[in-house]
Amino acid sequence: SQTIHQWPATLVQPVGSPLSLECTVEGTSNPNLYWYRQAAGRGLQLLFYSVGIGQISSEVPQNLSASRPQDRQFILSSKKLLLSDSGFYLCAGYTRLDRGKGYTFGSGTRLTVV
Amino acid sequence: AQTVTQSQPEMSVQEAETVTLSCTYDTSESDYYLFWYKQPPSRQMILVIRQEAYKQQNATENRFSVNFQKAAKSFSLKISDSQLGDAAMYFCAYTRSGGWPNNNDMRFGAGTRLTVKP
Repeated sequence: SQTIHQWPATLVQPVGSPLSLECTVEGTSNPNLYWYRQAAGRGLQLLFYSVGIGQISSEVPQNLSASRPQDRQFILSSKKLLLSDSGFYLCAGYTRLDRGKGYTFGSGTRLTVV
Repeated sequence: AQTVTQSQPEMSVQEAETVTLSCTYDTSESDYYLFWYKQPPSRQMILVIRQEAYKQQNATENRFSVNFQKAAKSFSLKISDSQLGDAAMYFCAYTRSGGWPNNNDMRFGAGTRLTVKP
């Protein structure tokens, strides 16, 4: 079964600084990968998903971007952080074989923009 | 677009009692999957139970069971014999079955915060 690794677990960044969150997958190949954001006490908002290397679909136009340079690597970036980018970021993976079994989630990154 | 609605922002239950969390969804698909996830204070997402739309039988996992009403697009979660460890945020989620690899993103409800009173 697959494992999703995310780091860092916690991040405090000043407004206007760049951001790079990394998600890596272990135990499977060619997964669909997803970035979600969760505001405090709220649900999960889909930001980006990728079905393969270099293939990125954006759900919400915003200050963030995503890239998939390798099959098992998914990166969330920003050139200049805004206060509104604060939140809890979750990476998730999903494979064809796991359809119906639900996503595998990473442990998340808590981002605070100050 | 598919949407998932959880109309109960907060619920509370006495330990050992039963509680039901509500979820409705909107889709034009006939085949899809539904899930309940638990998110404790650690914020790790934990799969509680899942249901395949083509199966009429309601899923059960130990103390957790669902009431799946396909025509009504309703998918409620029943927790029996509630325990203190059940206290968490619970999310209802939907994903379509077909169209792999595209359009298989999971849509979540806003969540229900469950408190268990000792």
